[in-house]
Amino acid sequence: EAQVTQNPRYLITVTGKKLTVTCSQNMNHEYMSWYRQDPGLGLRQIYYSMNVEVTDKGDVPEGYKVSRKEKRNFPLILESPSPNQTSLYFCASSLIGTRGEQYFGPGTRLTVT
Amino acid sequence: AQTVTQSQPEMSVQEAETVTLSCTYDTSESNYYLFWYKQPPSRQMILVIRQEAYKQQNATENRFSVNFQKAAKSFSLKISDSQLGDTAMYFCAFMTHSGGGADGLTFGKGTHLIIQP
Repeated sequence: EAQVTQNPRYLITVTGKKLTVTCSQNMNHEYMSWYRQDPGLGLRQIYYSMNVEVTDKGDVPEGYKVSRKEKRNFPLILESPSPNQTSLYFCASSLIGTRGEQYFGPGTRLTVT
Repeated sequence: AQTVTQSQPEMSVQEAETVTLSCTYDTSESNYYLFWYKQPPSRQMILVIRQEAYKQQNATENRFSVNFQKAAKSFSLKISDSQLGDTAMYFCAFMTHSGGGADGLTFGKGTHLIIQP
């Protein structure tokens, strides 16, 4: 089954404790992206990657890191989480050159206390 | 930079009625895509419908159709014969597409649609 998976689905952590949210897709997509969703703000792009070892900032990259060492994986790293990073996070992927359809993961609910 | 505006934070209609969700956007690009995504309580993002800017014909998917007005930069979603399962957050989204690459989605803030029995 074609899908984007994220782990964990729920995470409660404390300020300053490094964490990683994993994202993996099995569709051989070149493009992968992270979004955060906050009430009243919709979804905003954090980082994206056009292919292995190619990443770039989205609209709200501060406080986040990403890596793309393998085509299927695109982890989101919070080196020192803060309460303002409490949010719902989505990973998405797509083929480049298609008609723009992105496939979303199920979301990760992160709470930083 | 692109912006997407959804002016209706919440809407409520009776089952079987027709409802229209509005969306306007601002861009200087000529080649782009527009989308409506549905987010039910499960939080999964589900693509409802897609419109390519170069196509004049409005997209339709079963009970879902759009009214795409390129000059007015308007992209509304019409849901016919609404069903209880249509209750969800609906996001309008914009994507540029140039040079064979891919760009991120720019989302509106969403409209919470409630279908009343």
